[in-house]
Amino acid sequence: AQSVTQLGSHVSVSEGALVLLRCNYSSSVPPYLFWYVQYPNQGLQLLLKYTSAATLVKGINGFEAEFKKSETSFHLTKPSAHMSDAAEYFCAVRNNAGNMLTFGGGTRLMVKP
Amino acid sequence: DAGVTQSPTHLIKTRGQQVTLRCSPKSGHDTVSWYQQALGQGPQFIFQYYEEEERQRGNFPDRFSGHQFPNYSSELNVNALLLGDSALYLCASSLGGARNYGYTFGSGTRLTVV
Repeated sequence: AQSVTQLGSHVSVSEGALVLLRCNYSSSVPPYLFWYVQYPNQGLQLLLKYTSAATLVKGINGFEAEFKKSETSFHLTKPSAHMSDAAEYFCAVRNNAGNMLTFGGGTRLMVKP
Repeated sequence: DAGVTQSPTHLIKTRGQQVTLRCSPKSGHDTVSWYQQALGQGPQFIFQYYEEEERQRGNFPDRFSGHQFPNYSSELNVNALLLGDSALYLCASSLGGARNYGYTFGSGTRLTVV
């Protein structure tokens, strides 16, 4: 079974600092990986997805993630944090049949002024 | 272009009652998936409907059931509610059954069981 693990349930950065949110996956086949963001009292918004086309994936709002097979990782980064980036971030992996996502436990990003 | 619409946004039920949640997919999408998100946790897959049939089911008891209508909208039914069923229920729509690269999520229904 495929799974993802997000290291760090809470991450705090200063405005303008680098954002790094960690995600490690477990999969016996090449995975399809996703990062979603959830603002308070809202649903999930897709930030970016990896579908084996390129290892460095650029998403919305200046976020990007790099797929590293050797490290089974798909960490999310942003060079400079904005106050508006404060939210919950979820990493997810799609199953082989393509009909379900398995999510990590989430990382709450806090941005300090 | 309307996104995924869920109703109601909030509701409160008593233990043992039954509840029905509704979802209208994004225009052009034909597949609906349901997820349960308990407070402080990631969403967990309940099931997916495509062509009016349940195509995949997660690790949820039979108290959770669903339906998809010819217009692709969907309902999630939960019987004999337990306190532990309190959660945010998210609906996600996509296109093409198994080839799901792009899920669009609704804002969810917040269910509180008292």
